[in-house]
Amino acid sequence: DAGITQSPRHKVTETGTPVTLRCHQTENHRYMYWYRQDPGHGLRLIHYSYGVKDTDKGEVSDGYSVSRSKTEDFLLTLESATSSQTSVYFCAISESEGNYGYTFGSGTRLTVV
Amino acid sequence: KQEVTQIPAALSVPEGENLVLNCSFTDSAIYNLQWFRQDPGKGLTSLLLIQSSQREQTSGRLNASLDKSSGRSTLYIAASQPGDSATYLCAVRPDSGYALNFGKGTSLLVTP
Repeated sequence: DAGITQSPRHKVTETGTPVTLRCHQTENHRYMYWYRQDPGHGLRLIHYSYGVKDTDKGEVSDGYSVSRSKTEDFLLTLESATSSQTSVYFCAISESEGNYGYTFGSGTRLTVV
Repeated sequence: KQEVTQIPAALSVPEGENLVLNCSFTDSAIYNLQWFRQDPGKGLTSLLLIQSSQREQTSGRLNASLDKSSGRSTLYIAASQPGDSATYLCAVRPDSGYALNFGKGTSLLVTP
């Protein structure tokens, strides 16, 4: 979707290295989310943000941290990547009220070797 | 915790058939429900959004219904085409909170 971009699209990294994924939106939406998608588990929430500098944990937050210093950017950091964090990561945005759904980015495929 | 279940997990139909995908959820305290489509290796594309006060939404050949009290939603696809082949995901947003809870999806194959 043109209003939300993720970078990088693909990344291969080694176990134990730090990794940062970026999500950028041009919609000025208040809420931003990071999900991971794995076979057999579906999409699971990692962290979300409800405003600049306001973040909270999701279902599978261990091993991940996030930061949001500007409305448009939401960063996901793997402090020390593990093989279990090999996954496809999706960023999403939404507004809190009104007839708004969620918009998802195209995803980042991360492989930890 | 909200549990979202989609049945069937996979479905194969010949082109032209009408079909129904099912989604059920355990907690009826939802704000809205959203159906997505996901093509292999791609992101999620929103198809239909139903607010908790609505019974159905339509877009082209797609019709989604919502029965909040029974915890069910269906996605009806009319006159299916090979281009409809994809995974269809159902997601609910709870009344209290903003994060979506997803089902594991129905993988649809429409054969020519």
